[in-house]
Amino acid sequence: SQQGEEDPQALSIQEGENATMNCSYKTSINNLQWYRQNSGRGLVHLILIRSNEREKHSGRLRVTLDTSKKSSSLLITASRAADTASYFCATKWDGGSQGNLIFGKGTKLSVKP
Amino acid sequence: GAGVSQSPRYKVTKRGQDVALRCDPISGHVSLYWYRQALGQGPEFLTYFNYEAQQDKSGLPNDRFSAERPEGSISTLTIQRTEQRDSAMYRCASSSSGNAGNTIYFGEGSWLTVV
Repeated sequence: SQQGEEDPQALSIQEGENATMNCSYKTSINNLQWYRQNSGRGLVHLILIRSNEREKHSGRLRVTLDTSKKSSSLLITASRAADTASYFCATKWDGGSQGNLIFGKGTKLSVKP
Repeated sequence: GAGVSQSPRYKVTKRGQDVALRCDPISGHVSLYWYRQALGQGPEFLTYFNYEAQQDKSGLPNDRFSAERPEGSISTLTIQRTEQRDSAMYRCASSSSGNAGNTIYFGEGSWLTVV
């Protein structure tokens, strides 16, 4: 079963705008990761945030983690058409085995030029 | 290699046939993972290995599914007596060590269609 749940399911914005995607999860976690999947292509790792971290930046990406609310957000600033993709959060459950990353269903982001 | 490599990229097979999907992880990576992704869904965990040892196979849906990694490098996921519900993208991934905090790198996947 999928633990992470992204919100919104779909998001359409204009180039240059910021995009914010949220993820909620159910159990205590070791870490949370965000991935991007272009249409029909591979899953690309974007950023990992550990349970003892609250915020992390990587280029135009900013991730926050609130373990008390069991939620995370991914902010993409100054979006580009090339950012069009599905974005997934994946949690590494604290009690699960090492390999058992649990993914949500994803947010489909469309950035219009 | 530079990334995780999977083959075949696309496979169409008839119901009842056996299928073998191959994964070549990033060179030197200790851990190898198999996931399955249905259309419109996120990937779901199947199984993983550290070196040649299968550490967790709790995600394998039934006993028609098996995986091996005999020399701790290349892995094969085998589906016996395929059924239409097995149609999905099968993704392999690898990470540098058994540390749960390490980044997992995914391949481009093998699309399986059972007709």
